[in-house]
Amino acid sequence: KAGVTQTPRYLIKTRGQQVTLSCSPISGHRSVSWYQQTPGQGLQFLFEYFSETQRNKGNFPGRFSGRQFSNSRSEMNVSTLELGDSALYLCASLSTGKNSDTQYFGPGTRLTVL
Amino acid sequence: AQSVTQLGSHVSVSEGALVLLRCNYSSSVPPYLFWYVQYPNQGLQLLLKYTTGATLVKGINGFEAEFKKSETSFHLTKPSAHMSDAAEYFCAVSDAGNMLTFGGGTRLMVKP
Repeated sequence: KAGVTQTPRYLIKTRGQQVTLSCSPISGHRSVSWYQQTPGQGLQFLFEYFSETQRNKGNFPGRFSGRQFSNSRSEMNVSTLELGDSALYLCASLSTGKNSDTQYFGPGTRLTVL
Repeated sequence: AQSVTQLGSHVSVSEGALVLLRCNYSSSVPPYLFWYVQYPNQGLQLLLKYTTGATLVKGINGFEAEFKKSETSFHLTKPSAHMSDAAEYFCAVSDAGNMLTFGGGTRLMVKP
């Protein structure tokens, strides 16, 4: 099975712009979660989508939003970018069945805000 | 609320020496516990997990961890370090597999 894929891998934006990141989960996985990784704050949970519905949400401002499509692919959007949004954004898909308690991570999208 | 503390942001060992990375957690419900490894410019790779059952868990690359409820710990060990083990290691807790709460990470350095 192919792993979790994220596009693009690298992105450079300027303050005030908006950005959309994409994540394709492992085939058959219906839950997708997003995490932000920064040197200062570490790994923080953003939100989780399951069957096109947001199931859980972390403590991030409303500028961070997401959605999930019927094929389980997910997008994350950040509006009005700030310098502090520079981070590695990781997507993870939650396995089903026997291992329905394990998240498998993609390679991440490195966002740099100038 | 759940939390994870990893003691030591940097750990250095010699090749062939024991690796011990410490993780303590706080959880109000029976926890699911995970160790992930991250190599430079990559995502997180699952090393091992504890959900229920046997408290000594074996993972990939010779790593293992023991769940000790009385100590609220889930330390990661490997008997003999290899140069390829140099990476950053993250302990995480959740109550059902989703919504992982991570520790701050421990960077493992392996000296030849």
